[in-house]
Amino acid sequence: DAGITQSPRYKITETGRQVTLMCHQTWSHSYMFWYRQDLGHGLRLIYYSAAADITDKGEVPDGYVVSRSKTENFPLTLESATRSQTSVYFCASKYDSNSPLHFGNGTRLTVT
Amino acid sequence: AQSVTQLDSQVPVFEEAPVELRCNYSSSVSVYLFWYVQYPNQGLQLLLKYLSGSTLVKGINGFEAEFNKSQTSFHLRKPSVHISDTAEYFCAVSGPGNQGGKLIFGQGTELSVKP
Repeated sequence: DAGITQSPRYKITETGRQVTLMCHQTWSHSYMFWYRQDLGHGLRLIYYSAAADITDKGEVPDGYVVSRSKTENFPLTLESATRSQTSVYFCASKYDSNSPLHFGNGTRLTVT
Repeated sequence: AQSVTQLDSQVPVFEEAPVELRCNYSSSVSVYLFWYVQYPNQGLQLLLKYLSGSTLVKGINGFEAEFNKSQTSFHLRKPSVHISDTAEYFCAVSGPGNQGGKLIFGQGTELSVKP
């Protein structure tokens, strides 16, 4: 039971580069989410998806793009990375709207 | 819109002492409430949840929380903490009116248990 896997675990990139963070879940959960975690801000929702081909913005979507062509994958792309996007990114999934979230172990992204 | 406030950013406590981590929420509709724990360099794990029914909810590792609708609170308690409880704790709210089942998180409380 692999659960929810994020890759890479650590990433260093330069300002202006495009970066894609991967998220894969093996439960066939309908809902998937991307959060970023920063000191003093807790977790803030970037984007979420209720099913394949359905995505919607969260609290802080600017500078990010998502897609969900398959139920199990929910990649997050930073089209042109900025230093303010240095953060720890968590992917999460849930079975339905009332279920608890299951989190991946996170990707620590540093933009230099 | 729903929001969550965790009233303490850091809580230091000695081993075997009781602890309470405070959480208040705001919502104009019925809510679902959650507590998550995050150990260093890991993702978040569910401690307990309140969906409906009994207002006293028991979770893993000896934690419990009480839903108080009149005070819009969902405080987390443990009667006797261990060193291994040192972690960051997040309160979160969701609800039937919350499109897409989104969870809104508080800013976290860092629990530090000292010997």
